[in-house]
Formats: sequence, structure tokens, C-alpha cells
Amino acid sequence: GAVVSQHPSRVICKSGTSVKIECRSLDFQATTMFWYRQFPKQSLMLMATSNEGSKATYEQGVEKDKFLINHASLTLSTLTVTSAHPEDSSFYICSARRSAGTGELFFGEGSRLTVL
Amino acid sequence: QKEVEQNSGPLSVPEGAIASLNCTYSDRGSQSFFWYRQYSGKSPELIMSIYSNGDKEDGRFTAQLNKASQYVSLLIRDSQPSDSATYLCAVLQNAGNMLTFGGGTRLMVKP
Repeated sequence: GAVVSQHPSRVICKSGTSVKIECRSLDFQATTMFWYRQFPKQSLMLMATSNEGSKATYEQGVEKDKFLINHASLTLSTLTVTSAHPEDSSFYICSARRSAGTGELFFGEGSRLTVL
Repeated sequence: QKEVEQNSGPLSVPEGAIASLNCTYSDRGSQSFFWYRQYSGKSPELIMSIYSNGDKEDGRFTAQLNKASQYVSLLIRDSQPSDSATYLCAVLQNAGNMLTFGGGTRLMVKP
């Protein structure tokens, strides 16, 4: 399958700081990437759809000023959690779909954020 | 009504048995269907995709699709303890760019 790489895999930060998570598609071009959040023992929650060269589309209830998404190229999207608070602690997972594909999503390894 | 529904489980089967995981969806125009496996603390991994009615087999896994009944299932033959995970059903809706996920079924295979 296609490879999507996410970095960092784990990050611990102090409350009030900002954290950037990178998502790269290593062997294909992705015009669209998706950012999910998953709390323990809960299902995936789509946060936003990241479109190369344009603004991200956020799901209802997700603050766009808090979760900044940049999709600057066909292989890279970033999620920045600004002014993180303990309630932002979660497992953040990106995924990407091939620009010319059959619809399946390939997921990054996930980034576990702990805000102290 | 949720768009993609799965029984949350846990579904417990003995080692060597067949595990049957089920999923129903509401958008009749959906065309693409996927099964993902997610181990605890890890991200989902694509294990099967199916696009047309009938069965699709890949090793110990068989995906079954019935569009008339809006039903997709995953069978795991000769279940192993290493198959213990949460299995997510995902549906690409007809007019959409986005996969819709079910809540997942937790499978436990007991030695």
C-alpha cells in the first residue's frame, strides 16, 4: 500500500505552547489530506479536510484558529495546535488519498499529543 | 441514524474460528467500501477494499458486499490472537470526497 508518514509520533508540551505535526505522502501525490482526532476508546473524528493550495475545510465544532492546517504541496500537510491545553491531548492521525486512485485512504502512524 | 453502523462489540471468537464483522450504510449511492484494522494505540491500516456486489477474498480475509441490502461484511478465517483489534468499516459516498467511518467493532480472538 501507499506510504504516509507522520511526525512526530509523540509530543509532550506545556499548556499554552503550539505544536506542529507534519504529514507526508512518500510515494504518491495527494491533493487532499484529512486530519482526524481520536480520544481513548473512541472512534475516529474527522477534524478537517486539507486541500493543496487552498484553505482547509473544517468540520463543525472544530476551531480553525486553534487547529491551523497548511497544505503547501502535493506531498505535505501540517497541523498546528495553537496554544495547546490539556483537553487537546489526543491521538492525531492524518490520512491521504492518491490524486488518481480508487478512494481508499492511507493513514499516517499518528501523533500522540500530551499537554501538561 | 448514523451513516455507517457497526456493532461495537466486543466480538469474542476462539482461535481458529471464523470471525464475522458486519456493517450497514445509509447512502444507497455509495460505490466504494473499505475495511481497516486498528490495533490499540496505532493508526488504522487498510486491509480490504470492495467495489462490486459479491465476495472478494484476500488470504484469510473475505469481504462481502450487498448493495441492495446496503450491507458489507468482513470474514476472517482461522482467526488468530494477532487478529484482535478494532475493525473499521468505511464507505465512500456517491457524491463525496470523504470516507465515512463506522464506529468500529472490537474483535477479541482467544487462544
